[in-house]
Amino acid sequence: EAQVTQNPRYLITVTGKKLTVTCSQNMNHEYMSWYRQDPGLGLRQIYYSMNVEVTDKGDVPEGYKVSRKEKRNFPLILESPSPNQTSLYFCASSYGTGKYEQYFGPGTRLTVT
Amino acid sequence: GENVEQHPSTLSVQEGDSAVIKCTYSDSASNYFPWYKQELGKRPQLIIDIRSNVGEKKDQRIAVTLNKTAKHFSLHITETQPEDSAVYFCAASGMEYGNKLVFGAGTILRVKS
Repeated sequence: EAQVTQNPRYLITVTGKKLTVTCSQNMNHEYMSWYRQDPGLGLRQIYYSMNVEVTDKGDVPEGYKVSRKEKRNFPLILESPSPNQTSLYFCASSYGTGKYEQYFGPGTRLTVT
Repeated sequence: GENVEQHPSTLSVQEGDSAVIKCTYSDSASNYFPWYKQELGKRPQLIIDIRSNVGEKKDQRIAVTLNKTAKHFSLHITETQPEDSAVYFCAASGMEYGNKLVFGAGTILRVKS
């Protein structure tokens, strides 16, 4: 089954404690991205990757890191989480760039206290 | 960069009526306009998209129209049903930043039965 998976689905953590949200896709997609969803703000892109070892900033990259060492995986790293990073996070993949259907993961609800 | 505005933010309609959601974009070079539906607690999923060489596209009860001159596009849902209740996001993809997809803030559609 073609899918994008994310883990964990829910996470409550404290300010400053490093965390990683994993994302994996089994569709051999080249393009992957991370979004955060906040009420009234829609989906805002954090980082994207056009292929292995190729990543770039989206609209709201501050406080986040990513890596793309394998085509299928695109983890999101919060080195020192802060309360303003409390949000719903979605990983997405597509055949190529933003001009193709984005396949979203199930989402990760992060709360930083 | 691209900016996408979406209206209304909430929309309530009676079952069987039509619903229209409108979006405007700023980058005249944008040429791909998808619409995503997000049911409560679920991931966004593509429902219809249109490219700039087409003025209208239909898929059963949903249709999208594009006015490139005015830089706006709209989602039309006819004969609404309770299962159409969801958040709808428009998006636009332009030429810069790896054809990044920029989303509108979303419209909460409630279909009353």
